[in-house]
Amino acid sequence: AQSVTQLGSHVSVSEGALVLLRCNYSSSVPPYLFWYVQYPNQGLQLLLKYTSAATLVKGINGFEAEFKKSETSFHLTKPSAHMSDAAEYFCAVSAPMFSGGYNKLIFGAGTRLAVHP
Amino acid sequence: NAGVTQTPKFHILKIGQSMTLQCTQDMNHNYMYWYRQDPGMGLKLIYYSVGAGITDKGEVPNGYNVSRSTTEDFPLRLELAAPSQTSVYFCASSYPDSYEQYFGPGTRLTVT
Repeated sequence: AQSVTQLGSHVSVSEGALVLLRCNYSSSVPPYLFWYVQYPNQGLQLLLKYTSAATLVKGINGFEAEFKKSETSFHLTKPSAHMSDAAEYFCAVSAPMFSGGYNKLIFGAGTRLAVHP
Repeated sequence: NAGVTQTPKFHILKIGQSMTLQCTQDMNHNYMYWYRQDPGMGLKLIYYSVGAGITDKGEVPNGYNVSRSTTEDFPLRLELAAPSQTSVYFCASSYPDSYEQYFGPGTRLTVT
């Protein structure tokens, strides 16, 4: 069965510092992987996705993630944090639906990123 | 394009009451989903639909019902509300065979 583990429910960084949010997955089939961001009182917005093309994926707002099959990881990074990056970040893995072959997303528990001056 | 819209934004419900959360999308997506989000738990799938007239249960369907009479609308019905249904509810939609889901802004529901 597919699952996602996000290490660290809260991460705090200084403005300008490296952002590293960790995601490990488990999948019985080649996965598609996603990072979503949720700003306060808003819905989830797609940040980036891995769909079996390049292993280094670039997303919006300067974020990127690298798919490492040997480590079953898909960590999210940004070289320099900005105050506006403060949000909750969710890693997700694709999984077959219960029937009919339709795919669904399994979400991790989320990591709340705080950025301080 | 308004995308995915949800109403209401907030609601307080008394135990045992019923209500319907509304969800509409204007992207002509066949697939629609309802999730609930609880602190530290991520998102859990309640129900999904792959087209008008077709719905199926997700991971946590108990206490909820859905219908899909049109492509655009996918309401979620809570019958006999319980405190355990206090949560933030998100509706999402996607194209067939696309993993990318588009989310609404959410409904924050409190059952007391």
